[in-house]
Amino acid sequence: GIQVEQSPPDLILQEGANSTLRCNFSDSVNNLQWFHQNPWGQLINLFYIPSGTKQNGRLSATTVATERYSLLYISSSQTTDSGVYFCAVLNAGGTSYGKLTFGQGTILTVHP
Amino acid sequence: NAGVTQTPKFQVLKTGQSMTLQCAQDMNHEYMSWYRQDPGMGLRLIHYSVGAGITDQGEVPNGYNVSRSTTEDFPLRLLSAAPSQTSVYFCASSYFGQSYEQYFGPGTRLTVT
Repeated sequence: GIQVEQSPPDLILQEGANSTLRCNFSDSVNNLQWFHQNPWGQLINLFYIPSGTKQNGRLSATTVATERYSLLYISSSQTTDSGVYFCAVLNAGGTSYGKLTFGQGTILTVHP
Repeated sequence: NAGVTQTPKFQVLKTGQSMTLQCAQDMNHEYMSWYRQDPGMGLRLIHYSVGAGITDQGEVPNGYNVSRSTTEDFPLRLLSAAPSQTSVYFCASSYFGQSYEQYFGPGTRLTVT
């Protein structure tokens, strides 16, 4: 099956710093989503981005499908950005039927 | 619009007990699925459904049963709980199609003793 690798596994920042999280995947995808799992365990949709670039406030994401990677940018980080960031992909192909394959996540800690 | 809702939020079971985790969505999504999240293993697909009356197995289906009698509801049944089923369970839904942009419920934290 498709492999998804996220880096770095852990990231510690001071409030106000910028960061880039990376997601590499091993095959063609029809769907790529970024999620933030907050300290209460909720999975929050950040971006649906199988290709191209999107921005939402301090967050932006870019997916280069031909090179099989996606980047999540967090600018001017805040303590509320802390949590785990997951990349999840849907393998292109007829039998996937919506099965998202998740990366292992990046644990982000933002200190005041 | 409540999105995807799950009940209960927390549950403790004894080994061998059975229970049903509830999932409902009000977005008229055809596709619904159940994942479990274990430490260090990310989320893994248990079962999914592409519409009312149609279900299929995911990556880790053993010990779980599902049915889909309506578009809105997709309950997950634990037939005889085991400690290995201690996990956080998430339900998700999306429109059926090529992209499957999925929305997740708040999760149910299950402990089996």
